[in-house]
Amino acid sequence: IAGITQAPTSQILAAGRRMTLRCTQDMRHNAMYWYRQDLGLGLRLIHYSNTAGTTGKGEVPDGYSVSRANTDDFPLTLASAVPSQTSVYFCASSESGSAGGSTDTQYFGPGTRLTVL
Amino acid sequence: AQSVTQLDSQVPVFEEAPVELRCNYSSSVSVYLFWYVQYPNQGLQLLLKYLSGSTLVKGINGFEAEFNKSQTSFHLRKPSVHTTHTAEYYCAVTQAGSARQLTFGSGTQLTVLP
Repeated sequence: IAGITQAPTSQILAAGRRMTLRCTQDMRHNAMYWYRQDLGLGLRLIHYSNTAGTTGKGEVPDGYSVSRANTDDFPLTLASAVPSQTSVYFCASSESGSAGGSTDTQYFGPGTRLTVL
Repeated sequence: AQSVTQLDSQVPVFEEAPVELRCNYSSSVSVYLFWYVQYPNQGLQLLLKYLSGSTLVKGINGFEAEFNKSQTSFHLRKPSVHTTHTAEYYCAVTQAGSARQLTFGSGTQLTVLP
C-alpha cells in the first residue's frame, strides 16, 4: 500500500541522547515535512523540504535537523534531546513543493510518540 | 503573517445531531484553506479544501465547509453525525501565490455520543 512510513512507533529517550526519527514515502512526492503535535497547540512545522537536496526551517526548528539525500527519505535528528521535545512527531509529504503557494494535499504518516526523560 | 483560530477545543454532540466546527483565519492576502481529520492513533487526512471558485466546498464523508471572506471564516459542517466521526479536526491555512507553509489551528475534538 502506497503511503508514508515512520519509525519507530514510539520511543523513550534519556535527555542528552541523540535520536533520529525515520520517514519514508513511496509516492514520489517532491515535498516532505516534519511536524510536532502538542496538546492545545495543534501541529507546528519543524522543517520541510521542497525537493531532494533542499531543506527549510519551519516554525519550531531549534534543536532539530533534517536531511533530504533522496526523494523518498526525510530523517529528523535530535542532536541532544531535551524534555521539551516530548511530543508526537508526524512526517508528511505532498506532490509539489510550497514555492508558488501549495494547493496540494499533504499525506501524513502514522506518527512517532517520543518521550524524553 | 497568517494564522488560524479554532474557536472550540472540544465539541460534544449526540449521534444524528448536526455539527459545526468553527475556524477563523487571519491573512492580508488571498488564502487557501483546508480541513484535516485525525482519527485516534492515526495521522491526519484531508477532508476538504478551498482554493478558489464556489465558496461552498464539499468533502469526504458528507462534510462541507463554507468560505466567508468578509468574516474570514471557514466553518466545517455536517447535518448528521455518527459515533464514527469522533476525531480531532484541524483547520489549516496558507497564503495563495506565496512560499508560505501550511499553518494549522490548535484542533477541535469532536466527540459523538451514542
